[in-house]
Amino acid sequence: QQPVQSPQAVILREGEDAVINCSSSKALYSVHWYRQKHGEAPVFLMILLKGGEQKGHDKISASFNEKKQQSSLYLTASQLSYSGTYFCGTERGYSGGGADGLTFGKGTHLIIQP
Amino acid sequence: DTGVSQNPRHKITKRGQNVTFRCDPISEHNRLYWYRQTLGQGPEFLTYFQNEAQLEKSRLLSDRFSAERPKGSFSTLEIQRTEQGDSAMYLCASSSTRIEQFFGPGTRLTVL
Repeated sequence: QQPVQSPQAVILREGEDAVINCSSSKALYSVHWYRQKHGEAPVFLMILLKGGEQKGHDKISASFNEKKQQSSLYLTASQLSYSGTYFCGTERGYSGGGADGLTFGKGTHLIIQP
Repeated sequence: DTGVSQNPRHKITKRGQNVTFRCDPISEHNRLYWYRQTLGQGPEFLTYFQNEAQLEKSRLLSDRFSAERPKGSFSTLEIQRTEQGDSAMYLCASSSTRIEQFFGPGTRLTVL
């Protein structure tokens, strides 16, 4: 089932902060965050794993509430280059090895104005 | 640049025709994924390979869709008897771990 992202769109001034949320009705193994600029491929930002492990870029932070199956992406002191569509992708919790393909939300459009 | 490459970048076809897309992953990546993306939506998972084995296929994927990854290197996605609803961007991604998927530029399919 597709995760739900909020808000659908955000317009910020350069330097302001933003929070993007992602929630799922299914138990999750991990949450992945990607950014896609218009006409380009999605680019990996961060992964949050069940158990608290995080891996990603230095200037972006995120949280993962395993009990609520929710994740939030925090963009601080936003720059013009942060503009784009942010997608969360989820992997369902399961036992055993292998990897599910990601189920992505519909995206959050972020516009940074000078 | 040794990123993921996809060919062709654009394909226009008539309804009912068959089309085939190719994906060349990053050379050391054993995992390969196919996604489909339509305007205003996130990528939708289609299928996943680990080396040459197709380990997962979306239940939403019609029998008209088939994918192969011979020898665990490049992959092909074929759509038979295309329909207008197949029009979308078809994205390929590869990875060596479960952490980060590297996406290719995509193949934009238009079915007339």
